Parts: sequence; C-alpha cells; structure tokens
Amino acid sequence: AQSVTQLGSHVSVSEGALVLLRCNYSSSVPPYLFWYVQYPNQGLQLLLKYTSAATLVKGINGFEAEFKKSETSFHLTKPSAHMSDAAEYFCAVNAGGTSYGKLTFGQGTILTVHP
Amino acid sequence: EAGVTQFPSHSVIEKGQTVTLRCDPISGHDNLYWYRRVMGKEIKFLLHFVKESKQDESGMPNNRFLAERTGGTYSTLKVQPAELEDSGVYFCASTLGQGSYNEQFFGPGTRLTVL
Repeated sequence: AQSVTQLGSHVSVSEGALVLLRCNYSSSVPPYLFWYVQYPNQGLQLLLKYTSAATLVKGINGFEAEFKKSETSFHLTKPSAHMSDAAEYFCAVNAGGTSYGKLTFGQGTILTVHP
Repeated sequence: EAGVTQFPSHSVIEKGQTVTLRCDPISGHDNLYWYRRVMGKEIKFLLHFVKESKQDESGMPNNRFLAERTGGTYSTLKVQPAELEDSGVYFCASTLGQGSYNEQFFGPGTRLTVL
C-alpha cells in the first residue's frame, strides 16, 4: 500500500521568503512522485514530477523538489515566494505496477503569501 | 487544445435525489480517472477507465455510484440515490498513456452538495 503525508495543512510566508512544503511518502516499491497546485476555481496543475531520473527535480514557476529515498521525502521548495504562489498544493504518489495511473494524494497544504 | 472539462461546476440536490456528473477528457486520451475530495479530507481515487473499459474501480464507495464511458470519449458518474456523505468535489483527469509516470490532466471539478 502507498500513502502520502503532507506536514502542515496551512503554511504562511512573506513575499520574497523561502517556501518549504513538506511531503513524506510510503511505498513498497520505488515510487513516482508528483506535486500539483490548485488555484481558486481551477483544476489541479502539475508543478513537477519525479520519475527516478535526477533526484532534484525542477518544475514550473521556480519550484523544485528533492527526492530523498533515505528519508522517504519529496519536499517542495521555492527560494522566493510571490503573491501569485498563493494556492493549495498537493503531493501525490504512484507506485506503478498494477496501480497503473492511480494517484494517492496527501491532505493538501494551503500556502498563503503575505505582502 | 481544450483541457479536461466537467459539467456542472456546481450541483445542489436533496438527499435521495439523483445526480449525473459529466467529464470530457482531452481529445485522444484513452485513460480517464475519477477522484473525489470530501471536505477536509484528501483527494481519493474512485475509478479508472481505459477507453470504454473499467480498468480499476476499487475506489468506488458503494453501488449507489455508477460510472460509464460509452464509446470511450466522455464519461458520466451517476449517484443514485444521493446521501449527505456524498457531498464533495469530484475531479476528473485524463492521460494519453497508461504509464504510472504520466502527468494526469485535471478538470476544474464538480462541487456536489447534498442537503
């Protein structure tokens, strides 16, 4: 079975500050990992994904995430927050095999950016 | 190219009534997924179609839910009769390939409220 835990349902940062959203996963096989973002009244949009190539993955809008197998983590970071980054962020895992494309999501983290 | 679309965007019904949600995937995407997010909880997988066939329906909560994808194009998800606990946001997603590393493209969701 696979699971995802996102630490912190709400994260608040100041504009220009570092963004760190935490994600830990559990999977019995090497996973594929995803970060999605949902802006108000929109669908989920892929930020980045880890598919066993480079452990440091760069995504859109200046976000990146590092896969750490020893810590079973895939934390999302951005060096400098922008007001437009305010949204809800979801970490998801797909363990492959007979799971095919089925994603298991974390609880989501709402990011607030203060001026 | 049009993205994944869902109809309606909102639906408010009484307990015991029937509701049908529709999803139009990206043209040519054989794989279609339904997910649901109950308020305060994580997004959970419901089922997966490959063309018109159900590949995995392990997430369907009970037999009050019926999903179809006639002709392998759009899909419908019918809830009959609706119960209070069915309230939530229903997301649809599609992918071209079946690989677990593939990005899933999400629609904006249908917010269902059962009173």
